[in-house]
Amino acid sequence: EDQVTQSPEALRLQEGESSSLNCSYTVSGLRGLFWYRQDPGKGPEFLFTLYSAGEEKEKERLKATLTKKESFLHITAPKPEDSATYLCAVSYYGGSQGNLIFGKGTKLSVKP
Amino acid sequence: KAGVTQTPRYLIKTRGQQVTLSCSPISGHRSVSWYQQTPGQGLQFLFEYFSETQRNKGNFPGRFSGRQFSNSRSEMNVSTLELGDSALYLCASSLTLDYGYTFGSGTRLTVV
Repeated sequence: EDQVTQSPEALRLQEGESSSLNCSYTVSGLRGLFWYRQDPGKGPEFLFTLYSAGEEKEKERLKATLTKKESFLHITAPKPEDSATYLCAVSYYGGSQGNLIFGKGTKLSVKP
Repeated sequence: KAGVTQTPRYLIKTRGQQVTLSCSPISGHRSVSWYQQTPGQGLQFLFEYFSETQRNKGNFPGRFSGRQFSNSRSEMNVSTLELGDSALYLCASSLTLDYGYTFGSGTRLTVV
């Protein structure tokens, strides 16, 4: 069965304490892997798309990497405003482009 | 530039009623997808439309339907509402995978 699993479910960090979030996936034929950030009461906000193993993308304090079966979202020196739920999703060749399979997310809290 | 617009933002309906939700994608985006988000199941794919054609449908009962108009605006309809249909319904549009799918703020549906 095609699925996406994120860990941990929740993560509490002190401001400045770097860490990584994990997303593992089992799909046949990865079209693309996406990272999103979601704040309470809002829709997910697009962060990155990764296509192939070895690919990396960065944006401010965030860096996303992709291997054959998992992706990591590294957060360097996080700030309280980075607190949100981070979602991973995949688009795969067995489905249409817009059929994304989402993980349950990692709820990140950054304390000052 | 205008984002994805969903109306209404909040809706309260009674069991057995039907409801129609609206989504206006970003100008130029022809792909529109709908998702249901609940605390227990996370984000689940409902359906995807491209140029007025349904490209894919998720594992939801036939009470859930949708359509897309020639201007790419989309609607989804849920008939014979059940308590379990209470959720945040999200619409997303895309130009290409490189830019990910841009989500609206969603419609919060409560069925009483």
